[in-house]
Amino acid sequence: DAGVIQSPRHEVTEMGQEVTLRCKPISGHNSLFWYRQTMMRGLELLIYFNNNVPIDDSGMPEDRFSAKMPNASFSTLKIQPSEPRDSAVYFCASSFGQETQYFGPGTRLLVL
Amino acid sequence: SQKIEQNSEALNIQEGKTATLTCNYTNYSPAYLQWYRQDPGRGPVFLLLIRENEKEKRKERLKVTFDTTLKQSLFHITASQPADSATYLCALGQYGNKLVFGAGTILRVKS
Repeated sequence: DAGVIQSPRHEVTEMGQEVTLRCKPISGHNSLFWYRQTMMRGLELLIYFNNNVPIDDSGMPEDRFSAKMPNASFSTLKIQPSEPRDSAVYFCASSFGQETQYFGPGTRLLVL
Repeated sequence: SQKIEQNSEALNIQEGKTATLTCNYTNYSPAYLQWYRQDPGRGPVFLLLIRENEKEKRKERLKVTFDTTLKQSLFHITASQPADSATYLCALGQYGNKLVFGAGTILRVKS
């Protein structure tokens, strides 16, 4: 059974460009989470969805970040425009019932 | 505001010994607490969950305790092996709400 799938695994872009990260949760899970991890701030929750509906986006740093979940098997996190301080590893996780979370391999983003 | 503290220094132990990692929290009343393992370049992997009404939970060589009075959880790995070397994250949660993660503790087991 495939776990959480994220793409791309690595992204290098220039400041000001739009970045789109993609996530496919585990089939049957009804909650999806986007996290950002840096050495300085650790693992931070950006936003989470329950049954495709955004429940808490208080962790989204600013209006440059947006996330969508058009259906139960796909979600995107978009940064527009990107800035060097957005460089981090972005994880998507899914769960059934919001307890145990299953993380994807992450997308390593570098904004130059 | 909520605060979760894990050993900021890496924990270095000898193979075969018991590793004990600490997770302390303030300004929070979690319904449950989880421990995750994270290897370099990978996402966290769930290990154990313990609820507020449980004192202790075991899984193979792993043991977790949860003291809601002290606001502390201890995570033990017995008979540690070099393969146990990783970063261990604790996470606190309430039903229907999001998980809050600690910064993690690096464990290094030397043979």
